[in-house]
Amino acid sequence: QQQVKQSPQSLIVQKGGISIINCAYENTAFDYFPWYQQFPGKGPALLIAIRPDVSEKKEGRFTISFNKSAKQFSLHIMDSQPGDSATYFCAASPRAAGNKLTFGGGTRVLVKP
Amino acid sequence: NAGVTQTPKFQVLKTGQSMTLQCAQDMNHNSMYWYRQDPGMGLRLIYYSASEGTTDKGEVPNGYNVSRLNKREFSLRLESAAPSQTSVYFCASSVTRPDRGRRNQPQHFGDGTRLSIL
Repeated sequence: QQQVKQSPQSLIVQKGGISIINCAYENTAFDYFPWYQQFPGKGPALLIAIRPDVSEKKEGRFTISFNKSAKQFSLHIMDSQPGDSATYFCAASPRAAGNKLTFGGGTRVLVKP
Repeated sequence: NAGVTQTPKFQVLKTGQSMTLQCAQDMNHNSMYWYRQDPGMGLRLIYYSASEGTTDKGEVPNGYNVSRLNKREFSLRLESAAPSQTSVYFCASSVTRPDRGRRNQPQHFGDGTRLSIL
């Protein structure tokens, strides 16, 4: 039983389009929500993270939207580029568990030129 | 600066064999982690070590043991490999002590060990 549910499993978007990935969680103790990006043959790398005291965080073309009441958060990739083609993982960490992360199942994004 | 180094990169085992996956980090991080990655399951925590001398079970510890050899090195051992342990294994490390105002620190991952058990 996954504590963090991620959708869709895969996504194809045209260059310049918007990629949207959604995650939902049940554990109300989660208070840190990072997104990791993984290229084939490589380990995941932190992309952007948010805490529940804000509803949105933007870094360049990447934006996290957070809805605390719905227990959902999403990643938007604006002006998607072929170099953004990767697998994206959402994750969550509870306050009492230090830095332990629970990951979603991952979304494979393909940006077509 | 190598970051997190995992060895070996690939390994094929027969059921019942044992092996140790090695991980070393050169970032002076306190905490280290072992995950397994399976299709559609994301990354699941096997064991972690909050600091040198301590280890704790994660979500899927059965069939594995770990050793925090020193601050730099954290190894994962499969005593009797089973086909269900076929996976990609990732080691990660992070700072434990948070900067002022920030509790969680990014985890830095190695490039993984691809393990097949026949």
